[in-house]
Amino acid sequence: GAGVSQSPSNKVTEKGKDVELRCDPISGHTALYWYRQSLGQGLEFLIYFQGNSAPDKSGLPSDRFSAERTGGSVSTLTIQRTQQEDSAVYLCASSLGADRADYGYTFGSGTRLTVV
Amino acid sequence: SQQGEEDPQALSIQEGENATMNCSYKTSINNLQWYRQNSGRGLVHLILIRSNEREKHSGRLRVTLDTSKKSSSLLITASRAADTASYFCARGGGGSYIPTFGRGTSLIVHP
Repeated sequence: GAGVSQSPSNKVTEKGKDVELRCDPISGHTALYWYRQSLGQGLEFLIYFQGNSAPDKSGLPSDRFSAERTGGSVSTLTIQRTQQEDSAVYLCASSLGADRADYGYTFGSGTRLTVV
Repeated sequence: SQQGEEDPQALSIQEGENATMNCSYKTSINNLQWYRQNSGRGLVHLILIRSNEREKHSGRLRVTLDTSKKSSSLLITASRAADTASYFCARGGGGSYIPTFGRGTSLIVHP
């Protein structure tokens, strides 16, 4: 597609429920990143996928968080047993590849998650 | 990870004035990038400056890079109310493939 697409754009869920957030990167972009941003804060790195390599999960805050990327394209971020502190905007970005450091990152519009 | 820290945290100016915000970092880079974020949503890539460049222009934007001081600045000339947004820097390359962002500079341009 023309840009990075994220869905849903807004999600309200009850505490304890599981949620799935979707990211559809730009076609041909091999690198994909997930970040989250709490109100008034910077972007917190969560996970990074590069091609078929094992993902870098070093930013995931707990084992309730997981992500996968199917076929090197669409990615899903899953949060199990959501807590109120999970409320944030979840942002996805893609780029041509980690070794293409001369190119910037294209971000989606994010999913605003509210846990009530 | 490679942090970018922006300063000031907040900047309030009148339309027509110039806005300058700074970014500092700690390790080596291949490039430094500036992004804008409106209303807490997705970031928009503004400009990328390579480590071997010292200055770059794009429209009303001017970015400088001083690798000896590990700092960069973003200048927005003749600001407009529509420039109101948060601005972030992120570093690329230099041994890490994961760009990290600071809290950004919140710019308010009063009409």
